[in-house]
Amino acid sequence: ETGVTQSPTHLIKTRGQQVTLRCSSQSGHNTVSWYQQALGQGPQFIFQYYREEENGRGNFPPRFSGLQFPNYSSELNVNALELDDSALYLCASSFGRVSGNTIYFGEGSWLTVV
Amino acid sequence: GQQLNQSPQSMFIQEGEDVSMNCTSSSIFNTWLWYKQDPGEGPVLLIALYKAGELTSNGRLTAQFGITRKDSFLNISASIPSDVGIYFCAGQPLGGGADGLTFGKGTHLIIQP
Repeated sequence: ETGVTQSPTHLIKTRGQQVTLRCSSQSGHNTVSWYQQALGQGPQFIFQYYREEENGRGNFPPRFSGLQFPNYSSELNVNALELDDSALYLCASSFGRVSGNTIYFGEGSWLTVV
Repeated sequence: GQQLNQSPQSMFIQEGEDVSMNCTSSSIFNTWLWYKQDPGEGPVLLIALYKAGELTSNGRLTAQFGITRKDSFLNISASIPSDVGIYFCAGQPLGGGADGLTFGKGTHLIIQP
């Protein structure tokens, strides 16, 4: 158990729809990052939130957006879903935004776009 | 997106054998992390390395942070059935969170009875 919880665990959406995924970080962790893991691939960094602000972003289009709340929980929103968005979405939490901090992952949310 | 070069892609071994896998990068990393992922679950942290040259053990697992900061390896001694899974290396650059973790494609470990 990493203490990072994600919901929902599985969901199916139609192309063009919007989806919101949720994450509760490990107690004491103030940094949340999101990753997309396609089948057979390693996770790809989407973005990171520190103290409610986005402070880093990977190579993902603006239709991928997020929020972090005062209790450090976070949401990932994806608009105008495409078939290629089908993947496991992972949330990870850590303390602080500098390099070297241990990062713990949740079990992920499986998104299928049809 | 960028990914690390992780090898081998898969390993078929006998129970009790030792395992070795490695990761290389064209970029320098400040931190190397090794994760194990079971089917349908998120990655679980095995070992974290913070200094070039560092050698760290966690039970039967040993990992090293390469001197050049561009590589790392993971060894598993005396493999057991529960070691089956996908192992990922991940590197974090000096800039830290702004760039996130860069992952390899994983090494799929299969243990034959």
